[in-house]
Amino acid sequence: KQEVTQIPAALSVPEGENLVLNCSFTDSAIYNLQWFRQDPGKGLTSLLLIQSSQREQTSGRLNASLDKSSGRSTLYIAASQPGDSATYLCAVNLNDMRFGAGTRLTVKP
Amino acid sequence: DTGVSQNPRHKITKRGQNVTFRCDPISEHNRLYWYRQTLGQGPEFLTYFQNEAQLEKSRLLSDRFSAERPKGSFSTLEIQRTEQGDSAMYLCASSQDRGYTGELFFGEGSRLTVL
Repeated sequence: KQEVTQIPAALSVPEGENLVLNCSFTDSAIYNLQWFRQDPGKGLTSLLLIQSSQREQTSGRLNASLDKSSGRSTLYIAASQPGDSATYLCAVNLNDMRFGAGTRLTVKP
Repeated sequence: DTGVSQNPRHKITKRGQNVTFRCDPISEHNRLYWYRQTLGQGPEFLTYFQNEAQLEKSRLLSDRFSAERPKGSFSTLEIQRTEQGDSAMYLCASSQDRGYTGELFFGEGSRLTVL
């Protein structure tokens, strides 16, 4: 059974810092991995999708990497802003998407 | 296209009542997923459809839960004889299947409160 773990569970940083969120998964035979953002009481917003053949994807201040062999992905956020405060979830696709519990990020002004 | 749409957004019901949620996926998407999310947890997979065929169901989906996707368009998730433990956010997502590589898009969710 695919297990997805996200570390840390919560993170608080001052505005302007660069930060890294971690995601690990137990079954490396994935089709792709997707990072999402969720604001309180809302649905999930897709941030980045990395196919199994790719090593990384970038969108603006976000960069996601994927190391399938070690079962790991990282989401790098550059120059964090208070508007980045949200829960960040990773999900791995193995016929269906399985999620981690998320990292709750707070960026202080 | 306005994205994935879910209705109702909020539902409060008494224990023992039946509830039904509807999901309208992005129009060209052939895959549709249902997830359940409780506070502080990631979404838990319930079931998914490829077109009108229900291809997988989680063990979380007890026999009180049923999902349909007639004609491969919108989907409904019905919960019969609701229990307080059913209180959660029910999320729908869709994707365009390209050999399982499609990006997943979520709706805003339907929050269920069972009193």
